[in-house]
Amino acid sequence: KAGVTQTPRYLIKTRGQQVTLSCSPISGHRSVSWYQQTPGQGLQFLFEYFSETQRNKGNFPGRFSGRQFSNSRSEMNVSTLELGDSALYLCASSLSERAEAFFGQGTRLTVV
Amino acid sequence: GNSVTQMEGPVTLSEEAFLTINCTYTATGYPSLFWYVQYPGEGLQLLLKATKADDKGSNKGFEATYRKETTSFHLEKGSVQVSDSAVYFCARALNTGNQFYFGTGTSLTVIP
Repeated sequence: KAGVTQTPRYLIKTRGQQVTLSCSPISGHRSVSWYQQTPGQGLQFLFEYFSETQRNKGNFPGRFSGRQFSNSRSEMNVSTLELGDSALYLCASSLSERAEAFFGQGTRLTVV
Repeated sequence: GNSVTQMEGPVTLSEEAFLTINCTYTATGYPSLFWYVQYPGEGLQLLLKATKADDKGSNKGFEATYRKETTSFHLEKGSVQVSDSAVYFCARALNTGNQFYFGTGTSLTVIP
């Protein structure tokens, strides 16, 4: 069974631009969560989607948004990029509530 | 509140030494608890989990016991190998949905 796939692996963007990251969960998993990982803040929860609905949301500004499609694939978008948005963005999928999360390899975003 | 407190690193051990990484949590109720491992340039991999008090999770020689009375989930391994060098994260699940709170991570380096 294929794992969680995130694309692209690396991105370099300029301040003010926007970016879209993609995540394909494990087949059969309907829950997809997104996390931001930085050296200073560690792993911080962005949001979770389940059956195309946002179920939980972390404490991030509205520039960070996401969506989930009917095939459970998810995208997250960051608009008006800031230098501080440089981070590893991790996607995770889960089979059910409170179950273990399986993570993708992440997308490394660098904002210059 | 809801948080996970993890032993600060970095930790450096000789091969075959005993490993303990402390983790305590605060939560209402009895959340599921997890240990994840992150190798350089990779996403997080589930190492082990426990879903209720007194459960012991184990995998690849690592163990952790869910201690309700001390709200702890310490990671142990009797004999570490060079290949265990990585960053280890303790995590707890929110009581609903699939949101996780992560500790700050403990970097482990095992030297031959």
